[in-house]
Amino acid sequence: DQQVKQNSPSLSVQEGRISILNCDYTNSMFDYFLWYKKYPAEGPTFLISISSIKDKNEDGRFTVFLNKSAKHLSLHIVPSQPGDSAVYFCAASTAGGTSYGKLTFGQGTILTVHP
Amino acid sequence: DGGITQSPKYLFRKEGQNVTLSCEQNLNHDAMYWYRQDPGQGLRLIYYSQIVNDFQKGDIAEGYSVSREKKESFPLTVTSAQKNPTAFYLCASSTSRRGNQPQHFGDGTRLSIL
Repeated sequence: DQQVKQNSPSLSVQEGRISILNCDYTNSMFDYFLWYKKYPAEGPTFLISISSIKDKNEDGRFTVFLNKSAKHLSLHIVPSQPGDSAVYFCAASTAGGTSYGKLTFGQGTILTVHP
Repeated sequence: DGGITQSPKYLFRKEGQNVTLSCEQNLNHDAMYWYRQDPGQGLRLIYYSQIVNDFQKGDIAEGYSVSREKKESFPLTVTSAQKNPTAFYLCASSTSRRGNQPQHFGDGTRLSIL
């Protein structure tokens, strides 16, 4: 049962334009969401997170939007740069209960930013 | 520099052999995690530990074992019972045991079968 899904395996964007990466989840108990960026043969690097009490969080060029009713989150990168080319994973967790700190990951989206 | 160190970067296992992957952190984090990544898939949780001398099974613990004797160390043993061990293994740590802070990852160990 895939509780976190990234339905687009890949996304191609021109430099300077907006990149929008999407993620859907099914578990209504998730209350903390994160985006990670990953290069081949390296560990994921944390980008940005959002708590379920918010619907938007910004950090520089990166903005995460959360729509709890639709169980959907998205990552916007503006403007996109060639160095942003990587695999992006969304992840979710439940802060509390018996699943302390466990992250559930999506399958990843490969972002390619063309010069 | 604070961080998470995984070693070795590449590891080869023979049939019937147990191998141990090292994970060390100097971030003073309480919680530590082991994930496995297979091609085209997201990361899946193998084991996690919220405090020294305590650890819990994740979603795919069969064929693996861990220990947490020191706060900074969380080694993972891939036993011969793990029939499909070829994967990229990632260790992570976090300040929060409650899951409301990011996890930070090492650079991984790639395990292959000889």
